[in-house]
Amino acid sequence: QSVLTQPPSASGTPGQRVTISCSGSSSNIGRNIVSWYQQLPGAAPKLLIYNNNQRPSGVRDRFSGSKSGTSASLAISGLQSEDEADYYCAAWDDSLNGLVVFGGGTKLTVL
Amino acid sequence: QVQLQESGPGLVKPSETLSLTCSVSGGSISGYFCNWIRQPPGKGLEWIGYINDSGYTNYNPTLKSRVSISVDASKNQFSLKLASVTAADAAVYYCARGGFNYYDSTLDYWGQGILVTVSS
Repeated sequence: QSVLTQPPSASGTPGQRVTISCSGSSSNIGRNIVSWYQQLPGAAPKLLIYNNNQRPSGVRDRFSGSKSGTSASLAISGLQSEDEADYYCAAWDDSLNGLVVFGGGTKLTVL
Repeated sequence: QVQLQESGPGLVKPSETLSLTCSVSGGSISGYFCNWIRQPPGKGLEWIGYINDSGYTNYNPTLKSRVSISVDASKNQFSLKLASVTAADAAVYYCARGGFNYYDSTLDYWGQGILVTVSS
């Protein structure tokens, strides 16, 4: 059971806007920055969003992140078939000595 | 372009120690937190721990008694040892470069991953 809670699946049709949620607590999302990762089938995860809402160079502006309180969201607009992947949120958790915690992942299907 | 590459045995016997090395090219690890993450087949990501070039480490509490991460800054490498492995430790192991701060979950460069099987 993951410390950060994500829906196991999401879907949309090409061109649609899809949102994936990530719920945490005051010890993680509530006080630390959130990052998002995209994992295409058979590949390593790739950084998609950092510092809650910043995109690394090369990441399309169709991807956006937001955070409010103890929750965060990843939005994908203009959905494309190439966006079909697993998406993970992550944050530092201040519990004990601290650790990086991940969400359980959301499998996005483009219908 | 920064690149990371994991290396080590793909097969480890139960009760033995898993040992992996991450070699970093195209950039220095100096100042960064260097992470290990694993992913069991068909499951999600689990953070194992990190080290910086000064040797400061932090480990996932669930693995802390069995994990050791070390760094060789002169070779731009860092390594993972996981003792007393069981079938539950079978996973793809990734190394990834973190940020400058201990509380940063940003992992900007990842290795391709190495599949480790635990079997006698």
